[in-house]
Amino acid sequence: DSGVTQTPKHLITATGQRVTLRCSPRSGDLSVYWYQQSLDQGLQFLIQYYNGEERAKGNILERFSAQQFPDLHSELNLSSLELGDSALYFCASSLRGAGLTDTQYFGPGTRLTVL
Amino acid sequence: AQKITQTQPGMFVQEKEAVTLDCTYDTSDPSYGLFWYKQPSSGEMIFLIYQGSYDQQNATEGRYSLNFQKARKSANLVISASQLGDSAMYFCAMREGSAMTTDSWGKLQFGAGTQVVVTP
Repeated sequence: DSGVTQTPKHLITATGQRVTLRCSPRSGDLSVYWYQQSLDQGLQFLIQYYNGEERAKGNILERFSAQQFPDLHSELNLSSLELGDSALYFCASSLRGAGLTDTQYFGPGTRLTVL
Repeated sequence: AQKITQTQPGMFVQEKEAVTLDCTYDTSDPSYGLFWYKQPSSGEMIFLIYQGSYDQQNATEGRYSLNFQKARKSANLVISASQLGDSAMYFCAMREGSAMTTDSWGKLQFGAGTQVVVTP
């Protein structure tokens, strides 16, 4: 158990809908990352937050948004969902958010299925 | 351009044998870190081992060791004495350290992974 929690574990929804994925980082970690894992794209970095502020952005669609709250938990919002958004969404956390040795620990993931 | 290349899509290994998983990387940054993660069929990503670009010695962590060849830009994972529980997908990932722009701050770039099946 990495100490990172994600809810829900599974989510099934329809095209056009909006969903929210939630992540609680490990105790003491200040940075949160979101990744998407799909069969065709592999593991892709979406976005990083550090202590409430956005720090880095990857291939995140405009239909997706995220935030990190004062208690350091994070939410990833996916809207106008398409079939291609079906994937495993991981949250990871790390202590400092930067630096070579700053290891990212991953949560169990939320499996999103868009029908 | 692909930054992390894992050329072995899958491999079988017998229990108690050692297995080497290949990883090559591409970066012009002198400061970088290399990570290996394991993803069992249950889906979670488990951190295994880390190697920094300035580390003089190869990293080891229990049955996991890293064969780091900086000039060749390779960071192969060696799993000794394979166990049935080692059956999983293994990912190599890189974090570039000194490029502190908002594009790269903290993100990990992953390879496509290698599926390992350990047989009795």
